[in-house]
Amino acid sequence: GAVVSQHPSWVICKSGTSVKIECRSLDFQATTMFWYRQFPKQSLMLMATSNEGSKATYEQGVEKDKFLINHASLTLSTLTVTSAHPEDSSFYICSASQQAEAFFGQGTRLTVV
Amino acid sequence: QQQVKQSPQSLIVQKGGISIINCAYENTAFDYFPWYQQFPGKGPALLIAIRPDVSEKKEGRFTISFNKSAKQFSLHIMDSQPGDSATYFCAASFNTDKLIFGTGTRLQVFP
Repeated sequence: GAVVSQHPSWVICKSGTSVKIECRSLDFQATTMFWYRQFPKQSLMLMATSNEGSKATYEQGVEKDKFLINHASLTLSTLTVTSAHPEDSSFYICSASQQAEAFFGQGTRLTVV
Repeated sequence: QQQVKQSPQSLIVQKGGISIINCAYENTAFDYFPWYQQFPGKGPALLIAIRPDVSEKKEGRFTISFNKSAKQFSLHIMDSQPGDSATYFCAASFNTDKLIFGTGTRLQVFP
């Protein structure tokens, strides 16, 4: 299947700082990517849809000023968690579709201390 | 309308047995029904997916059964192995966009 790569795999940051997570489609182009969030032992919840060349669309309850999404190219979307707080600690996962199937990155574990 | 209900929450199966996980959806506009396998600390890996125009799809030991009228679909893992021990998520969406996930099933396969 298609390969979606995330970087970093894990990150620890201090409260109040910002963290950027990258999501790349390695062997295909993706005009749309999706960002999900997963708390321990829970399901994945869609946060936002990342659209290449235009603004992201956010799900209800997701703060767009806190979770900045940029999709500057057909193979790269970034999620920036701004002014991170301990409650933002979570597992962030991106996905992209290729040949009518949805594939996920390996996830990024964010810990805010 | 957007929920996907998954059961059971956890499942214990002996090696060689059949693991069965069920999901039900509400939105009749959904046309993509994938199953994902997730190991701790890893992203979900696509196992198998089905579209509503077929009632069953098999790939190796994994089979999806789909009942459009009942709005239900299930994953069957034949000859379950200890390496299959993971959390399984069903999902549903329209055209692979905005996947709505089930709550997950933690499968444990004992030797």
